[in-house]
Amino acid sequence: EAGVAQSPRYKIIEKRQSVAFWCNPISGHATLYWYQQILGQGPKLLIQFQNNGVVDDSQLPKDRFSAERLKGVDSTLKIQPAKLEDSAVYLCASSLANHLGYTFGSGTRLTVV
Amino acid sequence: DAKTTQPPSMDCAEGRAANLPCNHSTISGNEYVYWYRQIHSQGPQYIIHGLKNNETNEMASLIITEDRKSSTLILPHATLRDTAVYYCIVRVANQAGTALIFGKGTTLSVSS
Repeated sequence: EAGVAQSPRYKIIEKRQSVAFWCNPISGHATLYWYQQILGQGPKLLIQFQNNGVVDDSQLPKDRFSAERLKGVDSTLKIQPAKLEDSAVYLCASSLANHLGYTFGSGTRLTVV
Repeated sequence: DAKTTQPPSMDCAEGRAANLPCNHSTISGNEYVYWYRQIHSQGPQYIIHGLKNNETNEMASLIITEDRKSSTLILPHATLRDTAVYYCIVRVANQAGTALIFGKGTTLSVSS
């Protein structure tokens, strides 16, 4: 089966600019997650969707981050405005259900300068 | 979800068994032990999970102590491609449970 697709693979922006990441989960996977991974740390959950509804966004910095999953398939994560500390890899994952195995994409590496 | 403790790093010779320990002394009766690994520049990859019985699949074996306070992930014949960060996670395995919460994991270095 095709994996989780993410784009772009790399992005460099200046602070205060905006950026958007795209994720296409595995077909049929109802649950989708966005994680942020700062260098040297484990992935940190930002938001969890069940179909097109938000299950958990308690760790999402809502003053600058937003995410949506229209039609319960693809998802976009946006940062506006970006800060230097947002430099990280943004990982998207999907699963058939929350308690089953997750499949991760390769991530988008964001550098804010 | 219960917290886990893992050594920050381990070394293993190619072809030998790699035994990665994980302590989860506050694990609850309905929490499973999951293992994921992350190879450099890739997203984490599911390896195995279990509740109380030992589990084995094509990638690894999971040994859980009888009191469930610790577990060991075993890679029977480590190869250079097994060099990665290994994460041990405990969580309730149902739809209402939290999403995977990752710690810092164990960096396993396999050398020839």
